[in-house]
Amino acid sequence: EAGVTQFPSHSVIEKGQTVTLRCDPISGHDNLYWYRRVMGKEIKFLLHFVKESKQDESGMPNNRFLAERTGGTYSTLKVQPAELEDSGVYFCASSQDARPLHFGNGTRLTVT
Amino acid sequence: QKEVEQNSGPLSVPEGAIASLNCTYSDRVSQSFFWYRQYSGKSPELIMSIYSNGDKEDGRFTAQLNKASQYVSLLIRDSQPSDSATYLCAVMDSNYQLIWGAGTKLIIKP
Repeated sequence: EAGVTQFPSHSVIEKGQTVTLRCDPISGHDNLYWYRRVMGKEIKFLLHFVKESKQDESGMPNNRFLAERTGGTYSTLKVQPAELEDSGVYFCASSQDARPLHFGNGTRLTVT
Repeated sequence: QKEVEQNSGPLSVPEGAIASLNCTYSDRVSQSFFWYRQYSGKSPELIMSIYSNGDKEDGRFTAQLNKASQYVSLLIRDSQPSDSATYLCAVMDSNYQLIWGAGTKLIIKP
């Protein structure tokens, strides 16, 4: 079974630019999560999709972040405009029911 | 605010010894507990899950849960240098969201 895949693996952009991260969950997993880890801090929840619906987006830091999950398959997380404090590693994870999460390899975002 | 606490370490253990990693959590109604291992530059990898009080063993790993004390631990027997990594404790709340600890860095010295 293919795992959770994320693209790109690394992105370096300038402050004010836009970046879109993509996540392809494990096939059949209705639950898709976005997390972020900034340097030296714990992993923080951003949002949770159940199929195409946003179940919980309480972790989204502000309205510069927009997540979508078209058709309940892959998801995108857009940051527009990016700020320096957005730098970190963005993880996507998926699960079926309430089972443990399977993580993608993450996207390392560097905003300069 | 729901919290998961871990000692950041680093925890240094000689090769072949038992490594003991600890985690406490604040949400008393939590039911599911997970240990993830994260190598530098990599994503977290699930190594153990535990749902009921007591011990759960899987190879060299043993997870221990005490809900009354709100405490979960991970024991690694016969520690190997390849076990050197950051170990993340995660607790699932009643909304099926994971609350993460900051992780404990484990170093196994040959």
